[in-house]
Amino acid sequence: DTAVSQTPKYLVTQMGNDKSIKCEQNLGHDTMYWYKQDSKKFLKIMFSYNNKELIINETVPNRFSPKSPDKAHLNLHINSLELGDSAVYFCASSQVRSSGNTIYFGEGSWLTVV
Amino acid sequence: GESVGLHLPTLSVQEGDNSIINCAYSNSASDYFIWYKQESGKGPQFIIDIRSNMDKRQGQRVTVLLNKTVKHLSLQIAATQPGDSAVYFCAENESAGDYKLSFGAGTTVTVRA
Repeated sequence: DTAVSQTPKYLVTQMGNDKSIKCEQNLGHDTMYWYKQDSKKFLKIMFSYNNKELIINETVPNRFSPKSPDKAHLNLHINSLELGDSAVYFCASSQVRSSGNTIYFGEGSWLTVV
Repeated sequence: GESVGLHLPTLSVQEGDNSIINCAYSNSASDYFIWYKQESGKGPQFIIDIRSNMDKRQGQRVTVLLNKTVKHLSLQIAATQPGDSAVYFCAENESAGDYKLSFGAGTTVTVRA
């Protein structure tokens, strides 16, 4: 009964390849996110979707393209992978309320570009 | 054990002692704050939250303190256990209904047996 699940957990790929990471949440939340965590553990938001609509799009190379087929899914596609894309990518979801926005994270996808 | 200053990347604490993890936030308009715990190989997990109209909130073995005057947040863990070893993040929401949660740099807590 995993709340936010993402696949694959580990991904090793060569530079220039295209890869996707899938994410699904069963919490009934309206909002989903992709965060990137670098080698120093710094967490930075990349994208957010609310009811399938893009609401946050931080300064991310356009090689990264999120897709939300429905509000329970948010996939991340990365084109022409570069060495600097190596990181841990976390999918997350939340139900934004006036009392606050508590975000729930998946277990992460470890991407290594060689 | 206590991390001091704006942020200390690591904190080593003896098992059974209390831990204090500090965090300075940047936006005086921030309305909602969360502490997350990230164990090795896992995603960040919610620990405790606090709204800006409060200065203290307690959970099970954890207490969060908020000082809006100096824009400072702290997490106190009572009777630290080996399972508390993790990276701890503070996060701020600029307003309670805001989608964006901004994270601090994280503090690695290591519990010594």
